[in-house]
Amino acid sequence: EVQLVESGGDLVQPGGSLRLSCAASGFTFSSYWMHWVRQVPGKGLVWVSRIKYDGSATTYADSVEGRFTISRDNAKNTLFLQMNSLRAEDTSVYFCARESGRATLFDWGRGTLVTVSS
Amino acid sequence: QSALTQPASVSGSPGQSITIPCTVTSSDVGSYNLVSWFQQHPGEAPKLIIYEVTQRPSGVSNRFSGSGSDNTASLTISGLQAEDESDYYCSSYTRGTFFFGGGTKLTVL
Repeated sequence: EVQLVESGGDLVQPGGSLRLSCAASGFTFSSYWMHWVRQVPGKGLVWVSRIKYDGSATTYADSVEGRFTISRDNAKNTLFLQMNSLRAEDTSVYFCARESGRATLFDWGRGTLVTVSS
Repeated sequence: QSALTQPASVSGSPGQSITIPCTVTSSDVGSYNLVSWFQQHPGEAPKLIIYEVTQRPSGVSNRFSGSGSDNTASLTISGLQAEDESDYYCSSYTRGTFFFGGGTKLTVL
């Protein structure tokens, strides 16, 4: 069974940094593209970032480009999101997701809440 | 610029069928063929229910179906049940980025 478990969400001040993790199990992690998607509670889903199975390629939403960095450790089956220069508008639940087939987000974690506030 | 437009809300009575449209606006015609649909109950993770416009993942009820015409993909739920009351999102992909529709709240009357 595929499992994705996010962690690292916290309350952080504007301008601060935070690193999220997503522990993967139940599949060959090193074979799949992985994503981060966020959602303000009560609002819609917003795609954040994507990383190739070997970590050699990444893409970002314009809203986080230059502030967030997606990475992965295939030896530890873990996906990361380093978030710097955080803003109030980054407050969201952050989900990790596994891409499979043709650009389809097949599996999702339950999310971790990031709150940016002074 | 790419965008997906879906109605904010739809409703139906138990046993009825409803359809949620998702209009794809993109210069990349391939993005239409990569439309997925997700169901999300409050406080839970999104769940994939349709991918590549018409494909249904293993384990998803056959009451859920996807279709498409021109630049609009649609999700149809037949035999509405109380448990179908949820938020539904369409999504697609183009040129390295993913994007979502604004979401549709389905109310089962």
